[in-house]
Amino acid sequence: ETGVTQTPRHLVMGMTNKKSLKCEQHLGHNAMYWYKQSAKKPLELMFVYNFKEQTENNSVPSRFSPECPNSSHLFLHLHTLQPEDSALYLCASSQVASGVYEQYFGPGTRLTVT
Amino acid sequence: DQQVKQNSPSLSVQEGRISILNCDYTNSMFDYFLWYKKYPAEGPTFLISISSIKDKNEDGRFTVFLNKSAKHLSLHIVPSQPGDSAVYFCAAGDQGAQKLVFGQGTRLTINP
Repeated sequence: ETGVTQTPRHLVMGMTNKKSLKCEQHLGHNAMYWYKQSAKKPLELMFVYNFKEQTENNSVPSRFSPECPNSSHLFLHLHTLQPEDSALYLCASSQVASGVYEQYFGPGTRLTVT
Repeated sequence: DQQVKQNSPSLSVQEGRISILNCDYTNSMFDYFLWYKKYPAEGPTFLISISSIKDKNEDGRFTVFLNKSAKHLSLHIVPSQPGDSAVYFCAAGDQGAQKLVFGQGTRLTINP
């Protein structure tokens, strides 16, 4: 595996379900991110993890719960979601260093909440 | 308040011609700018970047121009090829804070 992988690629869940999205990066990076992309909206940053520590929570509702067990893996635990949470969820990683901003994205998980 | 704006949702260009995608930003603290390309069912792919100390960066067919006084950047693709058809996002970052702010994207279609 190379780059950033995400599973599952597609997920349909009811509002009472609990599910998790998984992201894995094979780039040796030390920072990972969750983004949300809703239809016709820009990518919205949700969470940032540096060296496994959460450094950013962009006012995300508590029904989204991130977990970063190590610098290669990132999870997004979902529970009691709303239909408006249906979106493409993208994971990204980067190497935190002075002057380096490039983030590398996975293919995303298309989530539908029914 | 959208800090990064791509005012053209779509652009159609003939193969072989130049494609120019535009992006405006409002936050003067941004010091690094990136362009990403996205195909359907894939994540965004990093294309090219520029720091605020430069006004131009070139990589093959892709050139990014930065006009700091106008808070405007543009991506030039020349010559345009059918494989360039995708959605292009510009993004801006602030002093290594890792918070990239993205524009809404412009769908580029290259016509044969």
